[in-house]
Parts: sequence; structure tokens; C-alpha cells
Amino acid sequence: GQNIDQPTEMTATEGAIVQINCTYQTSGFNGLFWYQQHAGEAPTFLSYNVLDGLEEKGRFSSFLSRSKGYSYLLLKELQMKDSASYLCAVMDSNYQLIWGAGTKLIIKP
Amino acid sequence: GAVVSQHPSWVICKSGTSVKIECRSLDFQATTMFWYRQFPKQSLMLMATSNEGSKATYEQGVEKDKFLINHASLTLSTLTVTSAHPEDSSFYICSARELAGDSYEQYFGPGTRLTVT
Repeated sequence: GQNIDQPTEMTATEGAIVQINCTYQTSGFNGLFWYQQHAGEAPTFLSYNVLDGLEEKGRFSSFLSRSKGYSYLLLKELQMKDSASYLCAVMDSNYQLIWGAGTKLIIKP
Repeated sequence: GAVVSQHPSWVICKSGTSVKIECRSLDFQATTMFWYRQFPKQSLMLMATSNEGSKATYEQGVEKDKFLINHASLTLSTLTVTSAHPEDSSFYICSARELAGDSYEQYFGPGTRLTVT
């Protein structure tokens, strides 16, 4: 079966760095997405990785290792507004998105 | 950037009635539109995938006669919840995949919160 695993909840301090991991087992791979979702709102796109390596976009970076079925989202200089759920999703061989359950990130002052 | 709108943003209806939710891609053409449902504190659950001009493909466990999807054009898809019941109360989100290029990114609408009383 297809499976996406990510931690249920993480807590970090304002101004610090946090890494949210995602491991996956899917039938085929056409890219991995990270989305941010604030409570009661639709997800917003953060990053897309299809090749191995690190993609940096401002305070957010995303890493992919296809051989290990592993990705992480790195958030630097955390701000209170970063408190949200972070969803990892993998596009399988049918170009369908397989979603992880999401990681709720709590930022403390 | 690509924008997807949904209408209405929230709706309250009585049990047994039907509700239609519209999803529009405002500045691009969408080959494929997706409908998701999200219950509180849970992840997105894909309900169905629709391609313009063809029948929607429903995920296992989703009743196609209850959740009617129409994708009449490259910019509009509708989801109709027929004979709604309180257990259908949820956050319904659509997303659209752009027609051009190699991009498979999905652009999400703002969601529609349905409450069935």
C-alpha cells in the first residue's frame, strides 16, 4: 500500500529552527509537495521537490532523498505566524497526490 | 499566481436538501480539478478527480450518486451534495491543476464550510 509518515505534532520556540520529516512509500514517484495549512483555511503551496537535494525559498527549505523515500521541511527564524499544520504529499505514478496526516507545529514565544 | 475561487465560502442547510459548491480557476485553464473533504483536525481526503468533459473518478467509499461532480469547462467544476445529512457537515476544498507545461502543482480554493442541521 501507499504510505506517508510525518510526526503528528512538534513544538518549537520563536526565532529557532525546526525540521519536519516525511517518509514515504508510494507506487511511483512524480514529486513531493509541502503545504502549509492554518486552521480553518485551505492549504497553501510551500515547495515542490522532484530531484534529490535541497531547495531553498526564503526562510523555508525542503530536502528530498528519493533513494531513502525521505524529505524534510526546514523552517528558520520561526515566527508566531508559522504555527500551522504542515502537510507532506507525494505524487504517485498516476499523478495523484497521496497526503500525509500533517504535522501540527506549535510555536512558543 | 494562479487563483482558484470557491462559492459559497460557507453554507448552512437543512437535512434532506441539496447544496451546490462551485470551483473556478480564475486566471488559468485547469485540465483536472480535485475535490477534497476535511473533517476537523484531520488531513485532506480526496473525494474525486474530474477532467473537463468527462465523468469524475471517485475514490473508494465516496458515493457518486450523493456527491455529484460536473466539470463542464476548463475553468469551472461543481460539487453537489444531494440529500445532505448532518454527517456531511465538513470543509470541502477544491483544487485545480493547470493545463500548461510540466507543472503538476495543484492550486487550492479557499474551501467551503458546509453545516447541515
